[in-house]
Amino acid sequence: DVKVTQSSRYLVKRTGEKVFLECVQDMDHENMFWYRQDPGLGLRLIYFSYDVKMKEKGDIPEGYSVSREKKERFSLILESASTNQTSMYLCASSLTAGTGGNEQFFGPGTRLTVL
Amino acid sequence: AQSVTQLGSHVSVSEGALVLLRCNYSSSVPPYLFWYVQYPNQGLQLLLKYTTGATLVKGINGFEAEFKKSETSFHLTKPSAHMSDAAEYFCAVSGFPSGGSYIPTFGRGTSLIVHP
Repeated sequence: DVKVTQSSRYLVKRTGEKVFLECVQDMDHENMFWYRQDPGLGLRLIYFSYDVKMKEKGDIPEGYSVSREKKERFSLILESASTNQTSMYLCASSLTAGTGGNEQFFGPGTRLTVL
Repeated sequence: AQSVTQLGSHVSVSEGALVLLRCNYSSSVPPYLFWYVQYPNQGLQLLLKYTTGATLVKGINGFEAEFKKSETSFHLTKPSAHMSDAAEYFCAVSGFPSGGSYIPTFGRGTSLIVHP
């Protein structure tokens, strides 16, 4: 069974802390994505990666950075967490970047609270 | 550019009634279209997708959707709602590569409420 795992289901951090969210996929997918999900706003793309060490900004990259050192792992970093980054964070992967017909596989999400 | 509009942030039906969730898209090229479902405290999972060919697409759990190019729509239906269908549903379109990569655009989601 294909799987995307996220390091934590729930996380509570303090303002100003550096936060790492980890995502691992076991499907040898090229593409990986980070989204944040907020009520009434749907999914908003933060960053995506189409290959190791490659990254592209999504719609809301401010305050975030990412790292992809290995194909199966994609990390989201909040350099200095703020209360407005309290949200559900979803990681996803898809097979290749060259066609739009590939569906995404999602992890269970990390609910981050910044106090 | 591409965009997705899901009409109705909440849809309420009785158990056994028809489910209809609306999705309209805009895309400058023939699109790939998806419906995902999210159960409480879980990630999204694919219900069905349209790429090419037959415009009526069948998915899991008895759901289906019809691609209507003239109406730029991809509405999701199920003949008879079940309590277990209560969830958040997202429509997505992927039709225009950005820097060579196809990045899906999601609608804001529709919460399906099923009454006994």
